Amino acid sequence: DAGITQSPRHKVTETGTPVTLRCHQTENHRYMYWYRQDPGHGLRLIHYSYGVKDTDKGEVSDGYSVSRSKTEDFLLTLESATSSQTSVYFCATGPDSFSYEQYFGPGTRLTVT
Amino acid sequence: GESVGLHLPTLSVQEGDNSIINCAYSNSASDYFIWYKQESGKGPQFIIDIRSNMDKRQGQRVTVLLNKTVKHLSLQIAATQPGDSAVYFCAETQFGGYNKLIFGAGTRLAVHP
Repeated sequence: DAGITQSPRHKVTETGTPVTLRCHQTENHRYMYWYRQDPGHGLRLIHYSYGVKDTDKGEVSDGYSVSRSKTEDFLLTLESATSSQTSVYFCATGPDSFSYEQYFGPGTRLTVT
Repeated sequence: GESVGLHLPTLSVQEGDNSIINCAYSNSASDYFIWYKQESGKGPQFIIDIRSNMDKRQGQRVTVLLNKTVKHLSLQIAATQPGDSAVYFCAETQFGGYNKLIFGAGTRLAVHP
């Protein structure tokens, strides 16, 4: 998994509560990404980062925010969790603009009740 | 994870047969394509890639074919093994776009002894 860890690996939370998922990488990769995976949709990009403090929205960014204060950490926050955010969340990293391969973490299964 | 695979089209093959997994990609401007393999409970893993200026690329037991005319990508797996059982995703991207990937919905490959 190219030295990518995600925490927590499983979480159950209630509607309306804030939730933060953490992605940590030891590869010194410049790019980092957050995806969600739902049945029938494959993986959809939520937010991405192209450097420390440089982030932008992806395809399904509503209800999510991100922060990247260090190269190795990329945080995904659900400000007020909803049941539609129940999903499996994957973090991925990419070395630089010349390498298109992304390396994925093990995923976080989030259930919002 | 398993909940994702339950809603996907499934290709069932016998061990030792060749498998062909197809993908229709969405953007005629995409420059680069990747096939990923996802085993149950794990993140996607890179298999093989191809650039848009190629129509075929071979790896170890795998071949990717690209038909830009009809926006079609295929993954051929030779002598399929039980360890090949997984969900397979195609992904596409454009040069210069922070390597953001757009994933297909996926195909589940089931290999029977």
